[in-house]
Amino acid sequence: NAGVTQTPKFQVLKTGQSMTLQCAQDMNHEYMSWYRQDPGMGLRLIHYSVGAGITDQGEVPNGYNVSRSTTEDFPLRLLSAAPSQTSVYFCASSLNRQGTYEQYFGPGTRLTVT
Amino acid sequence: GNSVTQMEGPVTLSEEAFLTINCTYTATGYPSLFWYVQYPGEGLQLLLKATKADDKGSNKGFEATYRKETTSFHLEKGSVQVSDSAVYFCALSGTSAQGGSEKLVFGKGTKLTVNP
Repeated sequence: NAGVTQTPKFQVLKTGQSMTLQCAQDMNHEYMSWYRQDPGMGLRLIHYSVGAGITDQGEVPNGYNVSRSTTEDFPLRLLSAAPSQTSVYFCASSLNRQGTYEQYFGPGTRLTVT
Repeated sequence: GNSVTQMEGPVTLSEEAFLTINCTYTATGYPSLFWYVQYPGEGLQLLLKATKADDKGSNKGFEATYRKETTSFHLEKGSVQVSDSAVYFCALSGTSAQGGSEKLVFGKGTKLTVNP
């Protein structure tokens, strides 16, 4: 199993540009989520999905869009990049939404918006 | 709402020293508690977990006990190694009255550096 994969590893955008961060998992997990990690802030939940076709907002959803057309993929779209979106983004998945199940994290995408 | 407070770092220790990283939480219901570790340049990985009061999670020499009376889940290791240098995150996942779980809530992380 490859686990959770994310692409790209690094990305530089100009303000106003849009892009999609890719996330895929091959563990047949129902639950997938996107976090952003900023210095001194821990990880904050952006969006999550409890299964194909179902998504919901997390703590910091503004400026981001998600969709879940398959169990495996959960892309995160930045609609119009802003410098405040400079961060490291992590995708995670778990067997289901029960909190006792381990979340598996991808290696992250480091995004810089200039 | 649910929240996690962990000691601020950075923490610098010599090899074979004793490690404690404090973590306290605020939650309704019966949360599950976790410690995740992030090695440089990598994503987070689960270190240990506890799902009910008085449970002790342990892994790789690390331990943490779920203390409901003090709402704490402190991470300890008796003898740290250089390879333990990483950022450690305390997290909780609550349980709603209707069953199922709420989302993971993370502390801000504590950076540990172990010197030889």
